[in-house]
Amino acid sequence: KAGVTQTPRYLIKTRGQQVTLSCSPISGHRSVSWYQQTPGQGLQFLFEYFSETQRNKGNFPGRFSGRQFSNSRSEMNVSTLELGDSALYLCASSSGQPGGTEAFFGQGTRLTVV
Amino acid sequence: DQQVKQNSPSLSVQEGRISILNCDYTNSMFDYFLWYKKYPAEGPTFLISISSIKDKNEDGRFTVFLNKSAKHLSLHIVPSQPGDSAVYFCAAMSEGNEKLTFGTGTRLTIIP
Repeated sequence: KAGVTQTPRYLIKTRGQQVTLSCSPISGHRSVSWYQQTPGQGLQFLFEYFSETQRNKGNFPGRFSGRQFSNSRSEMNVSTLELGDSALYLCASSSGQPGGTEAFFGQGTRLTVV
Repeated sequence: DQQVKQNSPSLSVQEGRISILNCDYTNSMFDYFLWYKKYPAEGPTFLISISSIKDKNEDGRFTVFLNKSAKHLSLHIVPSQPGDSAVYFCAAMSEGNEKLTFGTGTRLTIIP
């Protein structure tokens, strides 16, 4: 069974630009969550999608958005990039069902904003 | 408000000995607790979890203990191996909510 795949692995963008990150979950998993990891803030929850609907949202500004497609693949978009958006962005895949506690993470996308 | 705390940023343990990583939480509504291991520039790898209705869960060299009254959990690794050197994150979640709330991590170094 293939794991969680995130593309691209590395990305360099300029302040003010926008970026789209992609995540393909484990086959059969319907829940995809996104996290931001920075040295200062640790791992912070961005949002979760289940069956193409945003089910949960963290405390991030509206510049951070996402969507999920019918095949459960998800994209995350960050508009008007700021230097502080430089981080490792992680996607997690899970069944999304009650009692299904394990979330499996992808390798992450390292975003650098210059 | 840090709902999940790992107060030890680092820990060094001799190979073959027991490693004990600690985690405290403040939200009594959490239903599950999980431990993840992470290498630099990679995603966290799931290790072991425990339901809030249990006080112990064991999987090979890894055992997690939960003390609900103290809102404290710990991960025991026995025996510790060099490949265990990584950052360990404690995380918590509530039933029906996929959001994981993470601690700040503990860097474990196993000394050969």
